[in-house]
Amino acid sequence: AQSVTQPDIHITVSEGASLELRCNYSYGATPYLFWYVQSPGQGLQLLLKYFSGDTLVQGIKGFEAEFKRSQSSFNLRKPSVHWSDAAEYFCAVTPGGYQKVTFGTGTKLQVIP
Amino acid sequence: GAGVSQSPSNKVTEKGKDVELRCDPISGHTALYWYRQSLGQGLEFLIYFQGNSAPDKSGLPSDRFSAERTGGSVSTLTIQRTQQEDSAVYLCASSSQEGRQFFGPGTRLTVL
Repeated sequence: AQSVTQPDIHITVSEGASLELRCNYSYGATPYLFWYVQSPGQGLQLLLKYFSGDTLVQGIKGFEAEFKRSQSSFNLRKPSVHWSDAAEYFCAVTPGGYQKVTFGTGTKLQVIP
Repeated sequence: GAGVSQSPSNKVTEKGKDVELRCDPISGHTALYWYRQSLGQGLEFLIYFQGNSAPDKSGLPSDRFSAERTGGSVSTLTIQRTQQEDSAVYLCASSSQEGRQFFGPGTRLTVL
């Protein structure tokens, strides 16, 4: 069965600084990969997804993620963080084809002025 | 409907009572998930339905929890003899074949 690890439970960055949130997965083949964001008091929103092709994918709100097969990683990045990016971020993986989706435990992002 | 809907949005109940939470997935989505999110915590997987296959119940925390999905569409999560530790937001999501999940707004359950 696949698994997802988000090693950072909580991250604090200054507004304007760059951001990288880590996600590592365990799965034999190339899975479908997702990042979701949950702002305080809000529902989960899809940021971006990777299925195949270009390993650098662009998402909403200026986020991007890079799939690295050799490292089994799908890290989320943003060049310059805004205060409104403070939220919880979840990485998810599935083999696709209606097979079960597995979520990581989430990373809470705090943005300081 | 255009998205996943859940009802009720809020439910307050007394310890020991049974509750039923409802989820209406996006039409055509054959995969449906239930999750629990306690205050300040991440997503806790509860149960997964896919088409006519037997559901994956591996996340249900106790036998007080059960869920069914009728006609491959609407799902009901039932919690019997509720306990205070059951207080949480219960999220439902339906999924397309690619695995992208569409989440409902959740039901906030408070057990007094």
